[in-house]
Parts: sequence; C-alpha cells; structure tokens
Amino acid sequence: DAKTTQPPSMDCAEGRAANLPCNHSTISGNEYVYWYRQIHSQGPQYIIHGLKNNETNEMASLIITEDRKSSTLILPHATLRDTAVYYCIVSPRGYNTDKLIFGTGTRLQVFP
Amino acid sequence: DAGVTQSPTHLIKTRGQQVTLRCSPKSGHDTVSWYQQALGQGPQFIFQYYEEEERQRGNFPDRFSGHQFPNYSSELNVNALLLGDSALYLCASSLRAGGYGYTFGSGTRLTVV
Repeated sequence: DAKTTQPPSMDCAEGRAANLPCNHSTISGNEYVYWYRQIHSQGPQYIIHGLKNNETNEMASLIITEDRKSSTLILPHATLRDTAVYYCIVSPRGYNTDKLIFGTGTRLQVFP
Repeated sequence: DAGVTQSPTHLIKTRGQQVTLRCSPKSGHDTVSWYQQALGQGPQFIFQYYEEEERQRGNFPDRFSGHQFPNYSSELNVNALLLGDSALYLCASSLRAGGYGYTFGSGTRLTVV
C-alpha cells in the first residue's frame, strides 16, 4: 500500500500558484519524498525529490515540514499544461533501485 | 536524446493468448522496471531488471515474466491473458549507480477481449 495520502482533486487558476499537499506520517528517516506527475496518455514524469530540506528546481518547489510528516509541492505559476495527476511517493533513494509505490494521486485541473 | 521507447502503443488480444511488450531504455540507463496501470489507478510495480536478471518483483503471478537483453532493452511477457490484464503497461528506466528519478515511457495500452 502507498505510504502517502493526497486529496483526490484540486483546482487552480492559470497563473496562480498551485499548492499540492501530501501526508506521509509514517515516513522513515532514510526515506525521500518524490513527486511525479502524469499528464493524460503519457507515462509519469519525475518532478522533484527531497529528504528534509526544501528543494527547488525549474519545475517546482518542495516544502517538507520539520517533522517530515507532510510536504507540499508548489507550482509557482500554473499553466494549462500543468493539468495532470500528481503523485507523492516516499522511497529509500528510489532514483536507482527501489520500486515506486504509487497511490491514486491528486488530479490537478488548471483552468483559464 | 531519446527517452524510453515502448512498442507497440496499442494492442488488442483475446483471452488465453500470450503477449510480448517491448521497451528500449533511455540512453545511458541500465535498469528497467515495468508497471501496470489500470484505469483510474496509480501504476503498480511488476518487476525490475538489471544485468539481465530480475532483481525485484511485485505481487504479480508467474504469468508475468520478463527479460533484459545485453543492450539493456527489455520485454514483458504475459501468458494466458485474462480480461483483468487490460491496462496501460509502463516501462521505466534508470541508472543504477546514480541519477535522480525514473524516466517513463508512454506505455502500451493492452486490451483483452
């Protein structure tokens, strides 16, 4: 079973920030938080990951609470192309060996 | 730089038949994982191949088998197809020794009738 809980759906106006929450209250000390998104009819796309510090890249920012029990993915200026299902995953260094356990994710709808 | 390539993109099979799906990993990647995604659900891990051996396996029956070739490409075979095997099959590649995140292909849509 997935170790994360996410709201099933969210809406966001184009140009505004989209803040997608994720609860991972049972996360272990060696587990990272990963975010992927899946645009309709495509495979999942890696967005960002982090351990305990906040992270930012060209796609998004990841804010992890100090107790690491929850996190928020921030898309600073959402566009219509950001409409997708967003998955929050915890994984021990899943970038190279570990299977990804997907939940049902958050369906983000960006509207004009 | 080519990403992950999967073939075919769509496939229709009859119950009881066998199917083979193919995956070419991203250039430079040496590990291939396969996932099954039913409609409305998140992807479910099937198995992972590295150095031509199955390294991890999810909760899937033996009807699901795979292979990895010396050039790192991979095949997923499903025998005795059931209606419930209808799904999007995703291939993901990664570099075992480093890098971040998996690169997924766009998948093969399998319909069993």
